[in-house]
Amino acid sequence: RKEVEQDPGPFNVPEGATVAFNCTYSNSASQSFFWYRQDCRKEPKLLMSVYSSGNEDGRFTAQLNRASQYISLLIRDSKLSDSATYLCVVNNAGNQFYFGTGTSLTVIP
Amino acid sequence: NAGVTQTPKFQVLKTGQSMTLQCAQDMNHNSMYWYRQDPGMGLRLIYYSASEGTTDKGEVPNGYNVSRLNKREFSLRLESAAPSQTSVYFCASRTGHTYEQYFGPGTRLTVT
Repeated sequence: RKEVEQDPGPFNVPEGATVAFNCTYSNSASQSFFWYRQDCRKEPKLLMSVYSSGNEDGRFTAQLNRASQYISLLIRDSKLSDSATYLCVVNNAGNQFYFGTGTSLTVIP
Repeated sequence: NAGVTQTPKFQVLKTGQSMTLQCAQDMNHNSMYWYRQDPGMGLRLIYYSASEGTTDKGEVPNGYNVSRLNKREFSLRLESAAPSQTSVYFCASRTGHTYEQYFGPGTRLTVT
């Protein structure tokens, strides 16, 4: 079983829409969770860390559900510039980080 | 600050050739990482260095060696390249205080 699983999409949404991505992880001892954004042929860039209480950064909201072992990312009022691949990342409190395969988002004018 | 830099950006090798990928960071981070990214797969950890002078294997270390030259630099060596090592290689670093990683721009390697 993979450590981290994501729906690869693609998600094609119109500008202004709200879109949500989920990611499940297999190790119940996992402690740190992140969403990264990766543009085509570029490096991953940290979008936000995911805290137990949930956190929000502008149009982006991340949630953690430890009981069901998933994290989510909600993007409100989608912009064309949000088009990218979103990577879910899980850490088990060491130096081993596990990446999902990514969810592709295209925001359509 | 340049952040994390990698050289070269692109490389084509023939099977059996060797090469070293270079990575440097100017953020005074303790931990550094080498990943590979292949189509349809998440980034996979090759090796990491928790601090200067230490290195450890990750998920896919076979065919690679690493050197943590000093706190700034962490290199990845392919001794005898194979077509299965065709990939995009990313270097990353982080402080000891958080688990947030910062990535270099990547090296696109093709082995023919």
